[in-house]
Amino acid sequence: KQEVTQIPAALSVPEGENLVLNCSFTDSAIYNLQWFRQDPGKGLTSLLLIQSSQREQTSGRLNASLDKSSGRSTLYIAASQPGDSATYLCAVSQLNTDKLIFGTGTRLQVFP
Amino acid sequence: KAGVTQTPRYLIKTRGQQVTLSCSPISGHRSVSWYQQTPGQGLQFLFEYFSETQRNKGNFPGRFSGRQFSNSRSEMNVSTLELGDSALYLCASSLAEGRITGELFFGEGSRLTVL
Repeated sequence: KQEVTQIPAALSVPEGENLVLNCSFTDSAIYNLQWFRQDPGKGLTSLLLIQSSQREQTSGRLNASLDKSSGRSTLYIAASQPGDSATYLCAVSQLNTDKLIFGTGTRLQVFP
Repeated sequence: KAGVTQTPRYLIKTRGQQVTLSCSPISGHRSVSWYQQTPGQGLQFLFEYFSETQRNKGNFPGRFSGRQFSNSRSEMNVSTLELGDSALYLCASSLAEGRITGELFFGEGSRLTVL
């Protein structure tokens, strides 16, 4: 059974810092991995989608990497800003079952 | 381009009642999936529809059901509501044809409170 874990569960950093969020999954049989952000009480906003054949994707200050064989993905946020404060979720699309399995989330707070 | 629209945004029901939630996907998207989000269990997959057919289902009791119409709009229904059904219900649409391989776009959710 696929399990997706995110570490740390919460993170508080000063503005301007570069930071790394981690996502681990137990079953490497995935189609893709997607990173989302969620603001309190809101829906999810897609940040980056990495296909299983890809190693990384970049969008602005965000860079996501995927190491399928070791079951890990990282989301790198450069020069963090208070507007980056949100919960970040990773999700894997599982081969054969076609189900999307979400991680536990990392709650990020960036203070001025 | 309009995003995913979910209605209603908020609703309060009492135990034993039933509820229907609606989701209009992004124009052109044929895959619609539903998720339940609670503080204790996180985000859990309910079911996914593609071209009016349920392709996949999560581990939820039969009280949870859904359907998709020919215009790709989807509804989910929960019958005989229980206190534990209080949650944020999220709908997502995708352009993917064969599998859930495409990027998912989520609505703002419907927050259900069961008293």
